[in-house]
Amino acid sequence: DADVTQTPRNRITKTGKRIMLECSQTKGHDRMYWYRQDPGLGLRLIYYSFDVKDINKGEISDGYSVSRQAQAKFSLSLESAIPNQTALYFCATSDFTGGVYEQYFGPGTRLTVT
Amino acid sequence: DQQVKQNSPSLSVQEGRISILNCDYTNSMFDYFLWYKKYPAEGPTFLISISSIKDKNEDGRFTVFLNKSAKHLSLHIVPSQPGDSAVYFCAASALYNQGGKLIFGQGTELSVKP
Repeated sequence: DADVTQTPRNRITKTGKRIMLECSQTKGHDRMYWYRQDPGLGLRLIYYSFDVKDINKGEISDGYSVSRQAQAKFSLSLESAIPNQTALYFCATSDFTGGVYEQYFGPGTRLTVT
Repeated sequence: DQQVKQNSPSLSVQEGRISILNCDYTNSMFDYFLWYKKYPAEGPTFLISISSIKDKNEDGRFTVFLNKSAKHLSLHIVPSQPGDSAVYFCAASALYNQGGKLIFGQGTELSVKP
C-alpha cells in the first residue's frame, strides 16, 4: 500500500464550486505539505504544516485553505475554484531523518476547473 | 523571483551516454540540495542529495556535483538508460532557517533513446 495517498486522483469542476482534496499518510511523519505543479513552473508550495496545531502559508496560498485533521490527514480546499487553479496537486510528508527533511510525495490529483 | 532555476526544459540523450542536468540557485542561505525524479501519473521520488559542506555525492549511476561559488549544481547519470526517461527536479533547502522547506526548480524532461 502507498505511504501517501491522495483522493480524488482526477477531478473536473466548474468555476465557483468549492472543492476539497484529501491527503492521508501512513509514514507517521509530523510534517505535511501541499504543492501545485504547472508546466514550466515546477512545484510551488501552497501550505505546509509542521504538526496538527501548526499551519503555515507557502508561496502561493491565495485562494486556498487547509485543514490538518490529524497527524495523518491534511486537506486542501479551494473555496471558489477558478480556471487558473487548474493544475496537478501533490501532497508530501517529511520527517527529520539524518539531518535531512527529505519529502515523500503522493501520486497527485489532476484538477481541472472549467 | 525564481530562487532555483533549471534552464533546460528538456534533454535528449542516447542510451549508454552521460546525461547532465543542471540547476542554478540564487539564495546563498541554501545548505542542502536534492534531486527528485518524476514519471508521468506519479508523484516525485527522491533520487539523491548533497549537503553544502560537500562538493560531490555519488550513488550508483547518479552523481551530484555542487559548485557553491557559482551557485550551481548538476546531476550526472552514467550510463543513461531508457528507464531514466522522466522529469527531474532539483530542490534546495535552508535547513536551519526555513525548517526544511524545499524550493523546487522548473524541472528538466530527460529522454533517453535506445
